[in-house]
Amino acid sequence: DTGVSQNPRHKITKRGQNVTFRCDPISEHNRLYWYRQTLGQGPEFLTYFQNEAQLEKSRLLSDRFSAERPKGSFSTLEIQRTEQGDSAMYLCASSLWTGGHNYGYTFGSGTRLTVV
Amino acid sequence: AQKVTQAQTEISVVEKEDVTLDCVYETRDTTYYLFWYKQPPSGELVFLIRRNSFDEQNEISGRYSWNFQKSTSSFNFTITASQVVDSAVYFCALSEGQTGANNLFFGTGTRLTVIP
Repeated sequence: DTGVSQNPRHKITKRGQNVTFRCDPISEHNRLYWYRQTLGQGPEFLTYFQNEAQLEKSRLLSDRFSAERPKGSFSTLEIQRTEQGDSAMYLCASSLWTGGHNYGYTFGSGTRLTVV
Repeated sequence: AQKVTQAQTEISVVEKEDVTLDCVYETRDTTYYLFWYKQPPSGELVFLIRRNSFDEQNEISGRYSWNFQKSTSSFNFTITASQVVDSAVYFCALSEGQTGANNLFFGTGTRLTVIP
């Protein structure tokens, strides 16, 4: 296992189109997180899953955003009707939650979205 | 509410100089974790260190060292004898509590440029 994998690395889309990103976490990790990073800022939390359950969503996650982790392994993040303000780097991270502690928090390389 | 402040937006040093990156945090939790990540131009977030709130012992790892002081809510990062490869954006982050999402709250980052 080589770490957290995200696809695609780059995506350019026209305003109003839908886009979907994929994240493959480290296989033994049960938690998966999505973050968004805009230019010049630190990453901001969007949502996270424990196994297949989506347990928390940030207020940044508007109704146009939806995330799934159907089998508790890979996850997808879909943005519907994209807007120019959605242009950002979307980062995925995974970790192992056990015994009340979070281990091995690892980020992927991200998907850079450009909405034109 | 949680907050991470990295007051230094950009720092430039000449190779072999020492440099300290500042991080000040705010939290109401008594149990929390502090992190430093490096983000090179490739975009990936590279984990450097995690420190829990009960361990104030300073740490050294090669040319890197960290100074954690709860009294001033600071977790500063020093690079000794900087190298060109250290050029990157460095993020300090906070994760609260032993339960819940344990998502990371990031500062806005410090861009370090090491001049040969």
